[in-house]
Amino acid sequence: KAGVTQTPRYLIKTRGQQVTLSCSPISGHRSVSWYQQTPGQGLQFLFEYFSETQRNKGNFPGRFSGRQFSNSRSEMNVSTLELGDSALYLCASRSQGGNTEAFFGQGTRLTVV
Amino acid sequence: AQSVTQPDIHITVSEGASLELRCNYSYGATPYLFWYVQSPGQGLQLLLKYFSGDTLVQGIKGFEAEFKRSQSSFNLRKPSVHWSDAAEYFCAVGGDTGTASKLTFGTGTRLQVTL
Repeated sequence: KAGVTQTPRYLIKTRGQQVTLSCSPISGHRSVSWYQQTPGQGLQFLFEYFSETQRNKGNFPGRFSGRQFSNSRSEMNVSTLELGDSALYLCASRSQGGNTEAFFGQGTRLTVV
Repeated sequence: AQSVTQPDIHITVSEGASLELRCNYSYGATPYLFWYVQSPGQGLQLLLKYFSGDTLVQGIKGFEAEFKRSQSSFNLRKPSVHWSDAAEYFCAVGGDTGTASKLTFGTGTRLQVTL
């Protein structure tokens, strides 16, 4: 079974631009979560989607948004990029909304210049 | 709010030696606990999880962890470390929303293995 796939793996953007990251969960998984990893703040939860609905949201500004499609694939969007948005963005999928473990993708490394 | 503390930022052990990585959590109810490992530039790989039941859980790559409610700890152990175990290890707790979603991670422990 294929794992969680994130595209692209690397991105370089300029301040003020916007960016869209994509995540394809493990086949059959309906929950997708996003995390931001930075050296200063560590791993922080962004949001979770389940069956196309946002179920949980972390403490990030409204510039960070996401969505989930009917095939469970998810995208996250960051608008008006700031230098501090440079990070590794990790996507995780779970089989359902209950008590199951999260499986992570390789991440997308975003650099804002 | 839930939180996780990994007191050791960096640990160095010799290959073949035993390993224990510490994790303390703060959570009101029964937590869902996880250990993940991350190699440089890679995503997180799940080593093991605790949801309920037996407090000693076995994971992949010869790792185990013990849940101790009285100490609010979930320490990771391995009896004999291999050079390939060098990586960063993260303890995480879930359950804030009544499920295992919305993981809160510790700051990580970087493991160095000397030959």
